Amino acid sequence: NAGVTQTPKFQVLKTGQSMTLQCAQDMNHNSMYWYRQDPGMGLRLIYYSASEGTTDKGEVPNGYNVSRLNKREFSLRLESAAPSQTSVYFCAGSSGSLSYEQYFGPGTRLTVT
Amino acid sequence: GENVEQHPSTLSVQEGDSAVIKCTYSDSASNYFPWYKQELGKGPQLIIDIRSNVGEKKDQRIAVTLNKTAKHFSLHITETQPEDSAVYFCAPDTGRRALTFGSGTRLQVQP
Repeated sequence: NAGVTQTPKFQVLKTGQSMTLQCAQDMNHNSMYWYRQDPGMGLRLIYYSASEGTTDKGEVPNGYNVSRLNKREFSLRLESAAPSQTSVYFCAGSSGSLSYEQYFGPGTRLTVT
Repeated sequence: GENVEQHPSTLSVQEGDSAVIKCTYSDSASNYFPWYKQELGKGPQLIIDIRSNVGEKKDQRIAVTLNKTAKHFSLHITETQPEDSAVYFCAPDTGRRALTFGSGTRLQVQP
């Protein structure tokens, strides 16, 4: 099992460009999450999907959109990238039932110039 | 929303010593209290968690204690080893199956 995978690992964008970060899990998780981590800080929740077909805003949703494509895949889209979105992005999955444990992917390091 | 504070922000100990990290939270509805470890270049990984009906939980050299009345919980690592060096995050739940992460504690274990 690959667990939670993210693509790409690294990306450099110019201001105003768009891109989609991909996340997939093979752990049969019901819930999936997108976080961003800025230097010296904890993870901040951008969006999450408690179950297939639903999405909810987290703490810092502005400038992002998400799609829960199916149970396995949860993508994060930046429509018009800004330098303030330079960060490391982590996707996570959770069974969402009795266990709240979240399993994290390896992260995508995004730089917006 | 949940306000989470974590102390200290950095902690340096000698190998074999104990380390304690404290997390305070604001939402009295929180019922789940995990600690995550993040190694350089990797995503966080759960190392121990506790639910609100339990005061303490141990797993080998790691323990978590909870004081729900005072709204804080702590991570205790005994007999520290160099491989314990990492950043540790507390992340109490918000009641919406989402977690709020603290700002992290960088633990350095000196050989």
